[in-house]
Amino acid sequence: DIQMTQSPSSMSASLGDTVTITCLASQDIGNYLSWYQQKPGKSPKLMIYGATNLEDGVPSRFSGSRSGSDYSLTINSLGYDDEGIYHCHQYYEYPLTFGSGTKLEIK
Amino acid sequence: EVQLQQSGAELVRPGTSVKLSCKVSGDTITAYYMHFVKQRPGQGLEWIGRIDPEDDSTKYAEKFKNKATLTADTSSNTAYLKLSSLTSEDTATYFCTTGTVAGNWFAYWGQGTLVTVSS
Repeated sequence: DIQMTQSPSSMSASLGDTVTITCLASQDIGNYLSWYQQKPGKSPKLMIYGATNLEDGVPSRFSGSRSGSDYSLTINSLGYDDEGIYHCHQYYEYPLTFGSGTKLEIK
Repeated sequence: EVQLQQSGAELVRPGTSVKLSCKVSGDTITAYYMHFVKQRPGQGLEWIGRIDPEDDSTKYAEKFKNKATLTADTSSNTAYLKLSSLTSEDTATYFCTTGTVAGNWFAYWGQGTLVTVSS
């Protein structure tokens, strides 16, 4: 199975900051990587797919990038609404797998 | 607008089974692969498996092969997840979500069904 190592597990940042969350794939997954935001008691929400493609309706403050097997989600100009847990997900091959999640707190 | 409506919370006894539903509206279910994802309280997301309602073909994560059964009813646009031999380890929220032939990123999600296993 493909392991997705996500870091950090939690982080705290201030309004207006820029933060980056990363996932390292244990093997090649190409651009078959998506990112989700989840708020307490809610379903995950798709933010990025294909490693770099912004889902419709997601603010352009969010961006995805790839460097080899390292995938990053960057959020610029943090707002209170960005608080939540972020999950990466590889869909290159079955079984599909997720990272362990990053809890983002806005100070 | 595509929406996924899941069945309500369940309180079930250990050793029994439960069948959860996920109804698709706004599109035909055959346009999607229907996936189910498990989330234990305070934990991350875990992929269970998926069904292609077009031909009922399924794929499962190894650890769920003797636990979960996925079915679909195209006449009602509904996918089902049956969980058997329930234990406390199965206490979790179960989400249905969609993938497509273009790629199994999950654009649409149900609201989740909380299953509590307790005597």
